[in-house]
Parts: sequence; structure tokens; C-alpha cells
Amino acid sequence: NAGVTQTPKFRVLKTGQSMTLLCAQDMNHEYMYWYRQDPGMGLRLIHYSVGEGTTAKGEVPDGYNVSRLKKQNFLLGLESAAPSQTSVYFCASKASRTIDTQYFGPGTRLTVL
Amino acid sequence: GENVEQHPSTLSVQEGDSAVIKCTYSDSASNYFPWYKQELGKRPQLIIDIRSNVGEKKDQRIAVTLNKTAKHFSLHITETQPEDSAVYFCAADTGGFKTIFGAGTRLFVKA
Repeated sequence: NAGVTQTPKFRVLKTGQSMTLLCAQDMNHEYMYWYRQDPGMGLRLIHYSVGEGTTAKGEVPDGYNVSRLKKQNFLLGLESAAPSQTSVYFCASKASRTIDTQYFGPGTRLTVL
Repeated sequence: GENVEQHPSTLSVQEGDSAVIKCTYSDSASNYFPWYKQELGKRPQLIIDIRSNVGEKKDQRIAVTLNKTAKHFSLHITETQPEDSAVYFCAADTGGFKTIFGAGTRLFVKA
């Protein structure tokens, strides 16, 4: 049982390049989330999903797209990376709508030059 | 909108002293309050949580209290150790889709 995993762990992009971050969970959780964490800051919600095939916008969705084609995977895409998207990205999942804990992945450190 | 305020943003204590972090939430429908610890370069991890039908919960050196009337909840760490140094996040959940996180408290425990 690996919990929540993220790939890649680190990535450096040039402005305008695109990339996809992959989050996978093996806990059969319904809900999945993408957050970004800037230095010295808290967690800001980018997008989330309440089940396979669904996605919704969070607090800071601009410049990102997501997809949840399979229940266990939640992909975060950057179509045209900007330096402002330099951050650490965390994926998280939780079992259901009823009260439950979010479990976080190890994070992806992204630098956009 | 929904908001969780967390204070202080930075806290420095001497090893062995107690540390207290306080949070205030805005949504009265919030009924689950987790606390996460994030060590440098690591993921946030749950250390303790409390549900709205409970006023206090303790787990060894950490405890959390909840005052629903005032919409306050607090984390208490006793007999602090250097390994307690980390960023701590409080959060509030209404049992809906999203968990609202506080901005975090950076705790330094000086040996």
C-alpha cells in the first residue's frame, strides 16, 4: 500500500513549455486534490475531483487543467508554464464526502525559468 | 467566504517548554478539525484531529481543544523537543468537498 504517490519529484521548465504532473493513490479514495505551496506560504487549492470523470476549480485554477479519467489517478497539466507557477505541488486524497482526513503525496518541486 | 486564521505565524520556544497555536474558523458548519505537521522538504502529515462533538483530545504530548461557540481551536504541545520543529497547519472541514487550511505556524524548538 503506497498511499499517494507523485511523479516527477523535481522538474525544471522553460517559460512556455508544457508538462503534466501525475498523482496516483491506491486507497480507493473518491476525492482527490491538487495544491500549490509557495515558500513560507500555506496550501492553496488549484483543482479537485469528487470522483472519476469529475473535476472542479479551487482557489487558484488559472493556468492549470486537470483530468480524472481513472479513479486512482489525478493529472495536473500546465499548458504554457510561467515563472509564477514555480512552486511545490502537492496532491492529496480523501476517502469520501463524510468527515475524513486528507492524505498527501510527497510533492513535486517545479521551477519555471 | 470560508476562512481559517492561524496565529502566530512563527513561534520560538525553549526545549521542554510548551507551545500553543491558535486557529479561528468562519464557517459555523465546520465539524472536523485536523492538524498537520510539515517537516522541511516533506509532505504535510496528520498529527491529531478533533470532531465537533468533542471539546478536547489528547495524544501523548499533543492535545487539541475546540470551542465551537467562539469558533476557536488550538494545538498544545507540551515538553517540546527539537524534533517538534516544523510548520504546523490547522484546517477546518464541513464534511463537504474542501478542507480550508490555515496559513501555517513555523515552530522552532531551541535546544
